[in-house]
Amino acid sequence: GNSVTQMEGPVTLSEEAFLTINCTYTATGYPSLFWYVQYPGEGLQLLLKATKADDKGSNKGFEATYRKETTSFHLEKGSVQVSDSAVYFCALSGSQGGSEKLVFGKGTKLTVNP
Amino acid sequence: GAVVSQHPSWVICKSGTSVKIECRSLDFQATTMFWYRQFPKQSLMLMATSNEGSKATYEQGVEKDKFLINHASLTLSTLTVTSAHPEDSSFYICSAEQVLGNTIYFGEGSWLTVV
Repeated sequence: GNSVTQMEGPVTLSEEAFLTINCTYTATGYPSLFWYVQYPGEGLQLLLKATKADDKGSNKGFEATYRKETTSFHLEKGSVQVSDSAVYFCALSGSQGGSEKLVFGKGTKLTVNP
Repeated sequence: GAVVSQHPSWVICKSGTSVKIECRSLDFQATTMFWYRQFPKQSLMLMATSNEGSKATYEQGVEKDKFLINHASLTLSTLTVTSAHPEDSSFYICSAEQVLGNTIYFGEGSWLTVV
């Protein structure tokens, strides 16, 4: 079945550091890929997505490229801020048994220190 | 590790009836649980935040009288879709926030089909 493997946290960075959170997936067919973020005390929010190979999703300075050859969708940001402290979830949405189902990674907690 | 159990995984109901979906944290206490829905080929949408012992907080556009949420204990939250219609057919998923450690765990989701 479909699965998502996400870099385990927690990740602690200093402000303006470069961020990479690795995400790889296993899926049949051509899934859509997502990064979600959950800030403290809030619900999950969509951060960015890509629906086909080589697509790059971007939002708020974050980027991720859908790499079919490596089955990866790594999240990157060139310069993190304290306000980026949150839990990040990689997810895929793909067909299973004729229905689409969202599958999440376990989440990576990011803490950015001033 | 911590597990969130969601039940049922699949449910088919007739239009006009109500259906209840349960979200349980099996080995931890969760003061806060979140309910989401996902339409085909779209991203997940937060419906409401459920806090134990108090009323749920609904997102804008979500009908609170249609989607009844009850968080009666630290390990159980329920979502009841009342007077279901075919347009309510969707994938519903919950997550639970562990009190200690501030970690979030997801249920496996529930497929609702209204015929």
